Amino acid sequence: DAMVIQNPRYQVTQFGKPVTLSCSQTLNHNVMYWYQQKSSQAPKLLFHYYDKDFNNEADTPDNFQSRRPNTSFCFLDIRSPGLGDAAMYLCATSREDGSLNTIGETQYFGPGTRLLVL
Amino acid sequence: GESVGLHLPTLSVQEGDNSIINCAYSNSASDYFIWYKQESGKGPQFIIDIRSNMDKRQGQRVTVLLNKTVKHLSLQIAATQPGDSAVYFCAEVRLSGSARQLTFGSGTQLTVLP
Repeated sequence: DAMVIQNPRYQVTQFGKPVTLSCSQTLNHNVMYWYQQKSSQAPKLLFHYYDKDFNNEADTPDNFQSRRPNTSFCFLDIRSPGLGDAAMYLCATSREDGSLNTIGETQYFGPGTRLLVL
Repeated sequence: GESVGLHLPTLSVQEGDNSIINCAYSNSASDYFIWYKQESGKGPQFIIDIRSNMDKRQGQRVTVLLNKTVKHLSLQIAATQPGDSAVYFCAEVRLSGSARQLTFGSGTQLTVLP
């Protein structure tokens, strides 16, 4: 059973045309993350939501925004995609209580959405 | 600055041999470390983790070793199988604010030869 679902799996957009990627989860986790992964590189955290609180990474471009309308859904909006934004976008979730008392498989990743910018 | 890096970008091993994937890290304040496996077109998949106060942890066919003196982490895969072919990332985990944050290393492509 899919726990972190990302739609679509492949997205093609035009240079400068806004695009939205979606993520949903069935785990009822309170934290949701968005990562960008370019070809042959490691995933890079863009931002995360702790409940409704948005936490942006310092080096995430303003072109990237996110929305979390409820616990289950989180969206990644790219306002004006450039060629350099072509990448795999990974959503992940975790249940956090502000401590590290539990470790192990705490962050669950979705299958990713591969974005192509023409 | 903080970084997590891998020594080798690619590793080829014969089926049935043992594999060793290495990782160097620079942030001694990390709380624990995770190894992920990522197959082509898929999201990272958790393999095993190790707390910073441990030096060894074993799972099914995998062992992670942590050497804090030299800030080195390794993943050993016993009797490597074709299904083990993937990119392997180590990740450093720290508590940042209220959520744990992962910083990934650059990845090693493991290829299992028949």
